[in-house]
Amino acid sequence: AQKVTQAQTEISVVEKEDVTLDCVYETRDTTYYLFWYKQPPSGELVFLIRRNSFDEQNEISGRYSWNFQKSTSSFNFTITASQVVDSAVYFCALSEAGGGSYIPTFGRGTSLIVHP
Amino acid sequence: DGGITQSPKYLFRKEGQNVTLSCEQNLNHDAMYWYRQDPGQGLRLIYYSQIVNDFQKGDIAEGYSVSREKKESFPLTVTSAQKNPTAFYLCASSNPSGDSTDTQYFGPGTRLTVL
Repeated sequence: AQKVTQAQTEISVVEKEDVTLDCVYETRDTTYYLFWYKQPPSGELVFLIRRNSFDEQNEISGRYSWNFQKSTSSFNFTITASQVVDSAVYFCALSEAGGGSYIPTFGRGTSLIVHP
Repeated sequence: DGGITQSPKYLFRKEGQNVTLSCEQNLNHDAMYWYRQDPGQGLRLIYYSQIVNDFQKGDIAEGYSVSREKKESFPLTVTSAQKNPTAFYLCASSNPSGDSTDTQYFGPGTRLTVL
């Protein structure tokens, strides 16, 4: 069974600090997909990134970067030079290709608070 | 603009009443989903539908019902049998036939409060 663990319940930083949100996953499939979503106070989940299990290259998008390491079953998310607008709950998710339904399992989320 | 709409944004219900939450998408996605979110518990799957006129129970389907008569619509009814319905409800859709077969896109959510 697939499982996603986000051990950090809440992180508090001051603006301009770098912050890393951890995500550890469990799966028996060799083909799977990993996701990050952002949920601002408005409530809507915003899709940030999708990664398949065969692509371990790290990705950078502006101040956001993702580190995928199959050896440690982790898909960590780093925000560089954090801003107040980054304050949100961030969810990591995993879907397995083998099941056919492509329904992701979500972690419990990490609440990020960025203070001015 | 393409997207997912949910209405209403806030909903209040008296105990013992059924209530229906609306979810509409114009993304031409085949699959639609309903999730429930409680504080500190992440997202839990209620029901999903991968094609019109077909739907499947998720992890916490008891006390809920759905229909999928049209591709763009997937309403959720919270029945009086749901013992603790106060929560934030999120609708999502995905396109299994596309390149990113499992990427879900979410609506703005409906916050249901039982009085």
